[in-house]
Amino acid sequence: EAGVVQSPRYKIIEKKQPVAFWCNPISGHNTLYWYRQNLGQGPELLIRYENEEAVDDSQLPKDRFSAERLKGVDSTLKIQPAELGDSAVYLCASRDPGGAGETQYFGPGTRLLVL
Amino acid sequence: SQQGEEDPQALSIQEGENATMNCSYKTSINNLQWYRQNSGRGLVHLILIRSNEREKHSGRLRVTLDTSKKSSSLLITASRAADTASYFCATDAAGANSKLTFGKGITLSVRP
Repeated sequence: EAGVVQSPRYKIIEKKQPVAFWCNPISGHNTLYWYRQNLGQGPELLIRYENEEAVDDSQLPKDRFSAERLKGVDSTLKIQPAELGDSAVYLCASRDPGGAGETQYFGPGTRLLVL
Repeated sequence: SQQGEEDPQALSIQEGENATMNCSYKTSINNLQWYRQNSGRGLVHLILIRSNEREKHSGRLRVTLDTSKKSSSLLITASRAADTASYFCATDAAGANSKLTFGKGITLSVRP
């Protein structure tokens, strides 16, 4: 079974530039999460999708961050414009609705450096 | 905000020794999960314990949960160099509908 796929793995941009991250969850996983992980910290939830609906985006800085999950499969997270403080690892995770249902499966993350 | 707080922040042990990591949290939970993260990688789920459980085992892992003290511990027995990683506890708060809140993590170094 293929895991959660994210791209790119690394991104270096200058501040004020836009950037986008892509995530392909595990097949059949309806729930998709985007997290941000700052250095030395645990992941913090940005947004959660149930199929194509964003059910929890309370932690998403909506002035510069946006996300979409068209057709309820792949998802894209965008930052425009990026700021120095956005440097972090952006993790995507998905959850199996069946079975135990509580475990989240994480992708390798996109490491963003804003200069 | 991060609900879970792990203790210690860093742990260095010799291969073959046991590693004990603790996590405290603040609100009522449905379950508590432990994840491992190797450097530069995503998180890998290790074990889940529900609020009505007190202890669970999985291979060399043993997790306990004390809901009265709002704390959990993860024990790794007979540690190996490959166990070197960061370990995070994550709580699924009651009523949060599978929203996990992670702690800051514990850095475990296992010396060969």
